[in-house]
Amino acid sequence: DSGVTQTPKHLITATGQRVTLRCSPRSGDLSVYWYQQSLDQGLQFLIQYYNGEERAKGNILERFSAQQFPDLHSELNLSSLELGDSALYFCASSVGGRAGEQFFGPGTRLTVL
Amino acid sequence: EDQVTQSPEALRLQEGESSSLNCSYTVSGLRGLFWYRQDPGKGPEFLFTLYSAGEEKEKERLKATLTKKESFLHITAPKPEDSATYLCAGREGSNFGNEKLTFGTGTRLTIIP
Repeated sequence: DSGVTQTPKHLITATGQRVTLRCSPRSGDLSVYWYQQSLDQGLQFLIQYYNGEERAKGNILERFSAQQFPDLHSELNLSSLELGDSALYFCASSVGGRAGEQFFGPGTRLTVL
Repeated sequence: EDQVTQSPEALRLQEGESSSLNCSYTVSGLRGLFWYRQDPGKGPEFLFTLYSAGEEKEKERLKATLTKKESFLHITAPKPEDSATYLCAGREGSNFGNEKLTFGTGTRLTIIP
């Protein structure tokens, strides 16, 4: 158990809908990262927050957005969902700064029908 | 563009048969090379971080090494429970709080009893 929690574990929805994925980092970690993992693309970095502020952005679609709240939990919002958005979405956390390994949560499996 | 390439894509070994997995990287200003283990449908589990050429780290039957251009994960006398996908990732981390990881597509390791 990495100490990172994600909810829900599974999510099934229809095209065009909007969903919210939630992540609670390990106690004491200030950085939260979101990754998307699909069969054909591997693990892709989406976005990083550090203590409430956006710090790095990867290949995140405009339909996707994220935020980190004062209690350090984070949410990833996915809107206007398409079939191709079906994937595993992982959250990771780290202490932040120059050092610090990223520890991953169990993931949310999103299926768009 | 940062790139991490892993080989082979898949590897089948007999129990007790030692081998090595390769990770080559072109990450500008590399600030850490990471190895993770991932079981099907689960989040990546942190194994090692290497920071400088010549560095080595060990954990049970696994040893990770780093040169200026590549990293190796050596598996000695593997057991069936070592079967998993092993992911390599490079971190750019040129700015404080920006710790994006670029992942390779992984090596799927199967240990046959």
